[in-house]
Formats: sequence, structure tokens, C-alpha cells
Amino acid sequence: GESVGLHLPTLSVQEGDNSIINCAYSNSASDYFIWYKQESGKGPQFIIDIRSNMDKRQGQRVTVLLNKTVKHLSLQIAATQPGDSAVYFCAEKFGNEKLTFGTGTRLTIIP
Amino acid sequence: NAGVMQNPRHLVRRRGQEARLRCSPMKGHSHVYWYRQLPEEGLKFMVYLQKENIIDESGMPKERFSAEFPKEGPSILRIQQVVRGDSAAYFCASSPGQGNDYGYTFGSGTRLTVV
Repeated sequence: GESVGLHLPTLSVQEGDNSIINCAYSNSASDYFIWYKQESGKGPQFIIDIRSNMDKRQGQRVTVLLNKTVKHLSLQIAATQPGDSAVYFCAEKFGNEKLTFGTGTRLTIIP
Repeated sequence: NAGVMQNPRHLVRRRGQEARLRCSPMKGHSHVYWYRQLPEEGLKFMVYLQKENIIDESGMPKERFSAEFPKEGPSILRIQQVVRGDSAAYFCASSPGQGNDYGYTFGSGTRLTVV
């Protein structure tokens, strides 16, 4: 669902370590999912997507896992770098309907 | 190939004035979406438009807010008689079409401050 005036969850990770960001999505019928990265003062930037007929997809240093049984999505970032510090949002979509965003998680990479 | 262009980047309005936010989609994209974001919150859907048509306005407040995407020119989000609660970042996104395999490309947003 969507947040209602709550502060973002935060995650701090040592530089070079792996990070995992989790997201619970709301619509069991959603068939397309995206992770976005948003840096301060900027718009959301596409990271990786996954269709509902898959449970895992890998990109460069990033992996998305989808568990439809429990409506859970995760983003794994390997060997984190300072530039990975940002807010990460999951988003879900059903067919031609609009993209719905989750709450977001603020990731801070500790040098 | 320019991305989604939004202007202005920052907009200050006094209470009661009108705010007009502009969005030019990526070249070849015919679908435009507007989202609103409050500090430390997620993006909340407002409206989805195609050229000359509003497809989904379920997230638009019933009063004072309107959106258009004319045949020629950018999409416009208009807020009449602004109030302090309208202060937020407004993001526009575009996509090439319908179908469930399209992510949206976002612009850099317009930050509206109502004083």
C-alpha cells in the first residue's frame, strides 16, 4: 500500500557489503514490478524490472526477487558503493493500469 | 535524445494564485502520468493521460486540480487557488504505450512551494 505521513524506513550498509531492500506489494493481481532509485532532488530512476512469471532477475550488481505467494519483492545490491545511497521504491502494475509505488527505503552507504 | 522535461524546476506561489506545471514526454512516448510526492513519502498517483484524453484521474483532488495533454505541446497540470497543503514535488512520467512491460521514465520534477 501507500505510506500515509510515515518516515521512510532506513538501512545503513558498509561500503562494499551487499544490501537487501524489501517491499511488500498490495495487489495479488499485479503482473509487473519495478525498482526505482531516487536521489535527493531528482526524479525516480529505473533500476530493474520483473514480470510476474519470473521469480528472479539479475542486472549489473542488482538482483530482484519476487515471491508471489507472500506478495514480496526484494532488491539485492552487491558490493555497495557510495553512489548507491538513495531512496529505493518498489512499484507494481496490473495490465494497463497505473504504476503504484510502495513506501520506499532510504539506503545509506557508510564509507 | 532528451528525457522527460519538466518546467519549472521550482515554483513559488502565494496562497490563492494558480500554478501551472509543464511536462514534455520523451520522444515517441504518448502516455503521460503525474505523481505527487511529499517529503519523506512515496509517490502518489494523480492522473494518466494520452493525447487529448484523460484515461485515469482517480488520484486527482476533485476541486482546483486539472490536467491536460493537448494534441500539440506539453502536458499541463494546473492547480487553481493554491493552498499551503499543495506544497510538494510533482513528477511527470511518460511511457511509449500500454501493456504491462513498460516502465515509466520520470522527469526531474517541479517543486511547488506555496507561501
